[in-house]
Amino acid sequence: DTGVSQDPRHKITKRGQNVTFRCDPISEHNRLYWYRQTLGQGPEFLTYFQNEAQLEKSRLLSDRFSAERPKGSFSTLEIQRTEQGDSAMYLCASSLVEIPSYGYTFGSGTRLTVV
Amino acid sequence: GESVGLHLPTLSVQEGDNSIINCAYSNSASDYFIWYKQESGKGPQFIIDIRSNMDKRQGQRVTVLLNKTVKHLSLQIAATQPGDSAVYFCAENINNAGNMLTFGGGTRLMVKP
Repeated sequence: DTGVSQDPRHKITKRGQNVTFRCDPISEHNRLYWYRQTLGQGPEFLTYFQNEAQLEKSRLLSDRFSAERPKGSFSTLEIQRTEQGDSAMYLCASSLVEIPSYGYTFGSGTRLTVV
Repeated sequence: GESVGLHLPTLSVQEGDNSIINCAYSNSASDYFIWYKQESGKGPQFIIDIRSNMDKRQGQRVTVLLNKTVKHLSLQIAATQPGDSAVYFCAENINNAGNMLTFGGGTRLMVKP
């Protein structure tokens, strides 16, 4: 296992289209997180799963956003009716325990550009 | 709302010199802090962390200092190398705020050869 994998790395979509991103966490990690990062800013928390349960959601996660982790392993983040303001890097992270001493392990992200 | 922020957006240092990156936080309930390094096109990479019951923690070439009195966090990098060039973020976890990390805006470190 080489770490947290995200797919695709880059996605360009037209405004109004739906997009879906996938995250594969480190295999033994039961906690999975989604963050969004715009250029020059720090990541912003979106949502958190423990196993298959979505336990926390940020107010940033509008009704157009939905995240799932159906079997407690990989997770998907879907954005419906994309807007230009959705253009950002979407980062996934995983951990084995709550705020472990080594922090989360982040993936390399999916960069979304909405045109 | 309360947030983590950074004093300097860009820091340029000579190779071999020491670097100090600063971060201010405003939530006194924060009890855990992490420094991340992010290179272009990559996700944040854990560097070092510190809990609020400590004021200093050392790693390999890095030291984190926490001053709870003035709500200030710093990252010191000794003998800065070209490979240290990246954007550095501090992040905090607020006690009883679950698993969310709140990140600051980042400081770009540029190492001149």
